[in-house]
Amino acid sequence: GAVVSQHPSWVICKSGTSVKIECRSLDFQATTMFWYRQFPKQSLMLMATSNEGSKATYEQGVEKDKFLINHASLTLSTLTVTSAHPEDSSFYICSAQLRATYNEQFFGPGTRLTVL
Amino acid sequence: DAKTTQPNSMESNEEEPVHLPCNHSTISGTDYIHWYRQLPSQGPEYVIHGLTSNVNNRMASLAIAEDRKSSTLILHRATLRDAAVYYCILRDARTGANNLFFGTGTRLTVIP
Repeated sequence: GAVVSQHPSWVICKSGTSVKIECRSLDFQATTMFWYRQFPKQSLMLMATSNEGSKATYEQGVEKDKFLINHASLTLSTLTVTSAHPEDSSFYICSAQLRATYNEQFFGPGTRLTVL
Repeated sequence: DAKTTQPNSMESNEEEPVHLPCNHSTISGTDYIHWYRQLPSQGPEYVIHGLTSNVNNRMASLAIAEDRKSSTLILHRATLRDAAVYYCILRDARTGANNLFFGTGTRLTVIP
């Protein structure tokens, strides 16, 4: 099956710093990638949809200037949490969709961000 | 998006079948029924999906009611590795909306 990787798997940073999370589709080209956030004991919440070569579409309530998404190629999308604060501590998960099918999404293993 | 309703939690003994129910009474004719599961501290993984007919794959079976207002994910022999949160999600094929809306899901506990 298709594989999606994320890097780093976990990160601890100080309040006010920026953190970049990478999401890669390893063996397929993804026209669309999605970024989700999951707080403890809660379900996944979609943050934004990212199409290669175009601006990301953010869900209501998600600050686009705080969560910068770049989708420069068909195999790589990055999420940068700018000026991170403790309330941004969460599990960030990306997913990717194959070019030719809209049936199945492939999820990365997630990145656990802790902001001190 | 049409909504789904699932029990918060279920338990099963190891090596026994598990039937995970999902109600979707407002489902439209073009909604596909998708199931994903999320193991602890991991990203979700696709399990199965269907439209009208029952579906089988190596992971599970999906039984869809004739009126499509409910469906059941069937794990034929639960293993400890199947302990996860299972999400039943509807996706409308018409709109091309590809994002998934995750509800609260069912937390499956497998008892050794």
